[in-house]
Amino acid sequence: DAGITQSPRHKVTETGTPVTLRCHQTENHRYMYWYRQDPGHGLRLIHYSYGVKDTDKGEVSDGYSVSRSKTEDFLLTLESATSSQTSVYFCAISEPANVGLDTQYFGPGTRLTVL
Amino acid sequence: KNEVEQSPQNLTAQEGEFITINCSYSVGISALHWLQQHPGGGIVSLFMLSSGKKKHGRLIATINIQEKHSSLHITASHPRDSAVYICAVVQGAQKLVFGQGTRLTINP
Repeated sequence: DAGITQSPRHKVTETGTPVTLRCHQTENHRYMYWYRQDPGHGLRLIHYSYGVKDTDKGEVSDGYSVSRSKTEDFLLTLESATSSQTSVYFCAISEPANVGLDTQYFGPGTRLTVL
Repeated sequence: KNEVEQSPQNLTAQEGEFITINCSYSVGISALHWLQQHPGGGIVSLFMLSSGKKKHGRLIATINIQEKHSSLHITASHPRDSAVYICAVVQGAQKLVFGQGTRLTINP
């Protein structure tokens, strides 16, 4: 298994509070991604990073920000959580520079509930 | 209309049956992934392919770029194959666009 961990694994918070989710990898992969998974929508890309301090938006980036200050960590922040952000969040990594190794590896997921 | 459509959405079969899950897409892609999501929620990449066919054990994935269509086949299906199978296409800088998944249940 690729070395990807997510923390916390479960979180319940209240509307309006800030929340930060952490993705940590030990594979030294260049690309990191945050997805959310919701019934009826499947997985959707929130933000991704293609290197330290290099990030870009995905299809559902409103209400989320990210930071990547070192290769191994990619943080997802909800500045003011809303109930519509209740979801399961997955982190993934890939290293497209390696031929044949550009599979995306997924973390275990974080279940976030916003009350 | 979703850019990536999977069929069927749900599939129930008996152990030993040959399974086919289909994925059609409407956008230009550089590659396509098949993923498996276990009942516990973990997601595992099964295949990444950009042409032709790949085989791993009882799993076979094919893609027809001209027809914008891919299939995942499972031979001699087993209850442990029960999972959600997700098709995802690669656009641009390694960005994935996902289908909604096919929930497969294999009964003993």
